[in-house]
Amino acid sequence: GENVEQHPSTLSVQEGDSAVIKCTYSDSASNYFPWYKQELGKRPQLIIDIRSNVGEKKDQRIAVTLNKTAKHFSLHITETQPEDSAVYFCAATYNQAGTALIFGKGTTLSVSS
Amino acid sequence: DVKVTQSSRYLVKRTGEKVFLECVQDMDHENMFWYRQDPGLGLRLIYFSYDVKMKEKGDIPEGYSVSREKKERFSLILESASTNQTSMYLCASTIVGSEAFFGQGTRLTVV
Repeated sequence: GENVEQHPSTLSVQEGDSAVIKCTYSDSASNYFPWYKQELGKRPQLIIDIRSNVGEKKDQRIAVTLNKTAKHFSLHITETQPEDSAVYFCAATYNQAGTALIFGKGTTLSVSS
Repeated sequence: DVKVTQSSRYLVKRTGEKVFLECVQDMDHENMFWYRQDPGLGLRLIYFSYDVKMKEKGDIPEGYSVSREKKERFSLILESASTNQTSMYLCASTIVGSEAFFGQGTRLTVV
């Protein structure tokens, strides 16, 4: 089955800096890669996702890149703000019935002002 | 507004009890998932279901079972609760290859 590795487990940055979180996946059939943000005491919520037919996707200060050959994908947050502080999870799955959605172990991002 | 609802926010149960965690979604999603979340271990998949009465084991199914008798409802069952099952349990639902929506979570404590 799918296995997703996520690094780093913790990340501390100054406000205004960029933050990068990296994930690798094992199943070459995976074709959907979402990123979730979980604030303290709240449920995870989707912030951005990418499909395997796209190499990069951007939404304001957030971008995700995908390298299918190397089987890794990354989340980039620019101009970080204190409200970006949260746990971020990457995940991988493929577009087929009976497919599990497997998450990485999460990255705790702390943005200090 | 999409909604995934878990029956309890907090539960305290005794060792050996049979525990039911219920999850209901109103989005007509085929896929439903149960995860447990522990510090440093992320979201670990226990079981998932892609259709009524269909289920698949995830990474940590031992000590758990599930039931999906109706499309909107997915239940997680702890046959005989143990202290190492103390955790936060999260239910999620999705259509294939699209955004997953999570419930608010159930904090289960087994004493």
